[in-house]
Amino acid sequence: EAQVTQNPRYLITVTGKKLTVTCSQNMNHEYMSWYRQDPGLGLRQIYYSMNVEVTDKGDVPEGYKVSRKEKRNFPLILESPSPNQTSLYFCASSLTSGRAKHEQFFGPGTRLTVL
Amino acid sequence: GQQLNQSPQSMFIQEGEDVSMNCTSSSIFNTWLWYKQDPGEGPVLLIALYKAGELTSNGRLTAQFGITRKDSFLNISASIPSDVGIYFCAGHSNRDDKIIFGKGTRLHILP
Repeated sequence: EAQVTQNPRYLITVTGKKLTVTCSQNMNHEYMSWYRQDPGLGLRQIYYSMNVEVTDKGDVPEGYKVSRKEKRNFPLILESPSPNQTSLYFCASSLTSGRAKHEQFFGPGTRLTVL
Repeated sequence: GQQLNQSPQSMFIQEGEDVSMNCTSSSIFNTWLWYKQDPGEGPVLLIALYKAGELTSNGRLTAQFGITRKDSFLNISASIPSDVGIYFCAGHSNRDDKIIFGKGTRLHILP
């Protein structure tokens, strides 16, 4: 089954404790992206990657890091989480060519609480 | 930067009613997309539009790419309980090759 998976689905942590949220897709998509969803603000892009070893900042990259060492994986790293990073996070992937390149597949989400 | 204005922010309707929502932008988009997010899940693509004036249906859903390329509309006919959720529009511009999402329309259906 074609899908984007994220782990963990739920995480409660404390300020300053480094964490990683994993994202993996099995559709051989070149493009992967991370979003955060906050009430009243919709989906805001954190980082995206056009292919392996190619990453770029989205609209709200501060406090986050990403890496793209393999095509299928795109982990989101919070080196020193703060309470304002409490949010619902989504990973998404898509092709980078053809009409379908803007049609993103989203993961199920990771709800992060930073105390 | 570019922004999408999605309205209404939320809707309360009776089962069986038709629903209309829209997105507008001050700048031109080359692609419009509509997603639905069920409670506790990630957004799922409903309809993609690639050409100004294009009208596309997916079951009871119909979406249109505005002729000015600055807006898009989504209509749901004869709403049913499983239509509950958040609907997001998204636009892509070839100029900066970025996708921007609207803030969503939360649909509630009254029994």
